[in-house]
Amino acid sequence: GQQVMQIPQYQHVQEGEDFTTYCNSSTTLSNIQWYKQRPGGHPVFLIQLVKSGEVKKQKRLTFQFGEAKKNSSLHITATQTTDVGTYFCAALTQGGSEKLVFGKGTKLTVNP
Amino acid sequence: GAGVSQSPSNKVTEKGKDVELRCDPISGHTALYWYRQSLGQGLEFLIYFQGNSAPDKSGLPSDRFSAERTGGSVSTLTIQRTQQEDSAVYLCAKTSGAYNEQFFGPGTRLTVL
Repeated sequence: GQQVMQIPQYQHVQEGEDFTTYCNSSTTLSNIQWYKQRPGGHPVFLIQLVKSGEVKKQKRLTFQFGEAKKNSSLHITATQTTDVGTYFCAALTQGGSEKLVFGKGTKLTVNP
Repeated sequence: GAGVSQSPSNKVTEKGKDVELRCDPISGHTALYWYRQSLGQGLEFLIYFQGNSAPDKSGLPSDRFSAERTGGSVSTLTIQRTQQEDSAVYLCAKTSGAYNEQFFGPGTRLTVL
């Protein structure tokens, strides 16, 4: 079945540094969603990208959808300790049951 | 989270016992998912219900796991003859909203002794 590969698995940064996580698929995606899970919490929806080459911003977070709709990235500028958590991308499978498939996530830790 | 409740919040059981985990999506939804998350790990898909279609059970790890959804709403995940490797947080999520995004419940933390 369709898989969404996410890298890196872990990322440790100093507060103020930038952070990026990447999602890749071998097949064209209809859309991609991003979620954040704080330590001890449950995943929370951040954003959805649908269009080829789409870029969306939420304060210090920038989300991109590749031109070929096979990859996406989440970039955080000047990380803060509140950014700590695991970031997941997710995409709908094509055909069949069309369920949402999650990447394995990138766990971000921020050193103050 | 956003209209999804799960019970119990914590469950400690002995190896070999059966457990039932409950998910109530409360308000409207288009689909319901169960996931398992081991400590520090990602989301492991278990099962997916949508409308009146047959559930997608492709993620269930063994025949000890089963799930049902009654009346198109409340869902129960049953684990028979629990094993220690079943210990994890079990998350339920409903699909709803403008983007058909997933809203997760708070999860049930299962510990098998």
